[in-house]
Amino acid sequence: EDQVTQSPEALRLQEGESSSLNCSYTVSGLRGLFWYRQDPGKGPEFLFTLYSAGEEKEKERLKATLTKKESFLHITAPKPEDSATYLCAVQPTSGTYKYIFGTGTRLKVLA
Amino acid sequence: GAGVSQTPSNKVTEKGKYVELRCDPISGHTALYWYRQSLGQGPEFLIYFQGTGAADDSGLPNDRFFAVRPEGSVSTLKIQRTERGDSAVYLCASSTSPNTEAFFGQGTRLTVV
Repeated sequence: EDQVTQSPEALRLQEGESSSLNCSYTVSGLRGLFWYRQDPGKGPEFLFTLYSAGEEKEKERLKATLTKKESFLHITAPKPEDSATYLCAVQPTSGTYKYIFGTGTRLKVLA
Repeated sequence: GAGVSQTPSNKVTEKGKYVELRCDPISGHTALYWYRQSLGQGPEFLIYFQGTGAADDSGLPNDRFFAVRPEGSVSTLKIQRTERGDSAVYLCASSTSPNTEAFFGQGTRLTVV
């Protein structure tokens, strides 16, 4: 069964304290892996798409990487405005084009 | 703006009533998705449209749920005989093609009392 597991469930960082969020996945084949940011009361906001192992994408303080089993979202020198829930989703090659989401990592960055 | 628009933002209904939730996707996006999100959980897939047709409705929980997209643009999610367990945020997303990133609306918070 296709599955996505994110860890940790919650993370508290001091401003400037770099860390990584993990997304482990089990799929028969991977079309794409997607990272989203979600603020309270809002819909998910698209961050990155990764398609193949070894691929990396960067945007400001965020960098996403992909291996055959997992993806990491690295946050460098975070600021309080980076506080949000970060969601990972996979699009398997089996079946149609639905996304399977993890439960997310709630990140709190303290000033 | 040019983003995905969902109406209403909030809907409170009584148990047993019928509700309709509307989604206006980004112009030109052929793929449209409906998801449901409960508190503290990730979005759960409901249905996916490619154009006017439902390409995958395997996530609809039962026959009380139905969705349409008659002209390949606006979509409506319809829930009959609502139950308290249907309370959640219903999210709509659209993408230019099925294997590219999807952009989400702000969601409709449905509360069944």
